[in-house]
Amino acid sequence: SQTIHQWPATLVQPVGSPLSLECTVEGTSNPNLYWYRQAAGRGLQLLFYSVGIGQISSEVPQNLSASRPQDRQFILSSKKLLLSDSGFYLCAWSVLGDFLDTQYFGPGTRLTVL
Amino acid sequence: EDKVVQSPLSLVVHEGDTVTLNCSYEVTNFRSLLWYKQEKKAPTFLFMLTSSGIEKKSGRLSSILDKKELFSILNITATQTGDSAVYLCAVMDSNYQLIWGAGTKLIIKP
Repeated sequence: SQTIHQWPATLVQPVGSPLSLECTVEGTSNPNLYWYRQAAGRGLQLLFYSVGIGQISSEVPQNLSASRPQDRQFILSSKKLLLSDSGFYLCAWSVLGDFLDTQYFGPGTRLTVL
Repeated sequence: EDKVVQSPLSLVVHEGDTVTLNCSYEVTNFRSLLWYKQEKKAPTFLFMLTSSGIEKKSGRLSSILDKKELFSILNITATQTGDSAVYLCAVMDSNYQLIWGAGTKLIIKP
């Protein structure tokens, strides 16, 4: 069966510090991978998605970046965090297909920038 | 601009009541509509709907899609306190991108 891991679960970082969040998927090959952010009390905002190694599409301009160094690894980074980067970050995966294009979410990372 | 609108934004009912959550959408090149339940952590998948008029059912939860009127409803019968959560609706377009609603916060009082 497929599983998706995210770490860390919780992170508190000072403004201006760098960020690296990691997401890995097991039990599937060539997944589509997604990074979402959910601000407190708000809906999910798609940040990045990737259809393959080294292929990253950005949905919103920001000081975040994403990389996919391996097929089942997706990394979200920032060189300098802003207060507005606080939120709940979710990684998701999906497999294309008529009945398989559902996205499944990892446990999430709660980031607080102080 | 594509959008998904959920209503109500929040709802408080008593255990045993039946609730109906609404999701309307304006999405170019609709592919499917999905419902998720989010408690304290990540959303968990409930239903995927692609065809009008076909009810999907799982226990006390059911959902149906109307592609002519561009909406879906999620029904929960005989609610329990464990149903308390935020229910998210999302529409997938032909590029496999999800457009999310803001969610409905459901609180079930014992």
